[in-house]
Amino acid sequence: DGGITQSPKYLFRKEGQNVTLSCEQNLNHDAMYWYRQDPGQGLRLIYYSQIVNDFQKGDIAEGYSVSREKKESFPLTVTSAQKNPTAFYLCASSISGGYGSQETQYFGPGTRLLVL
Amino acid sequence: KNEVEQSPQNLTAQEGEFITINCSYSVGISALHWLQQHPGGGIVSLFMLSSGKKKHGRLIATINIQEKHSSLHITASHPRDSAVYICAVGSTGNQFYFGTGTSLTVIP
Repeated sequence: DGGITQSPKYLFRKEGQNVTLSCEQNLNHDAMYWYRQDPGQGLRLIYYSQIVNDFQKGDIAEGYSVSREKKESFPLTVTSAQKNPTAFYLCASSISGGYGSQETQYFGPGTRLLVL
Repeated sequence: KNEVEQSPQNLTAQEGEFITINCSYSVGISALHWLQQHPGGGIVSLFMLSSGKKKHGRLIATINIQEKHSSLHITASHPRDSAVYICAVGSTGNQFYFGTGTSLTVIP
């Protein structure tokens, strides 16, 4: 079955620690996205990538980093510089990107990050 | 001001009722999307539309480009329809804007 997987489902971070959230897709999609969801707010874009080895900052990139070394994988690192990381993180992909284009985005199940 | 506004924020309905969720937007769009987020957090795309009306099972989505408004209707609602419904627009400026969602609870 094609789809997007995210791991872990829950992640705990200690103060000052970097943590990495995994996102893998086997849909052969070129574009991948990371969103953050907070209660009472719409999804906000952290980073997106339209092609391997290229990525763009979204609206709230500060305190986060990404890499896109493989088409299938788009890991997100939450660095210690992100002072309020507690949130639900969603990864998505679409066929060819062009953020805002007429493409359906396919979402992973999400990772909930909590700060200890 | 948010580029995408949804109403109502919360909605409780009896099983079998006809449900309408509204979405208004303020930007030029290439497409409007309706998404469903289940209690576990996963999101599924229900519709993508740029004009007219689409139907899938008991779900109907309409859009009025001139009025910058879209509605999602659920006919013969069922408890399994309980979820958060999110309206999102892909703008002509290559941005994606999400509404804050409508939380629907259908009571048996």
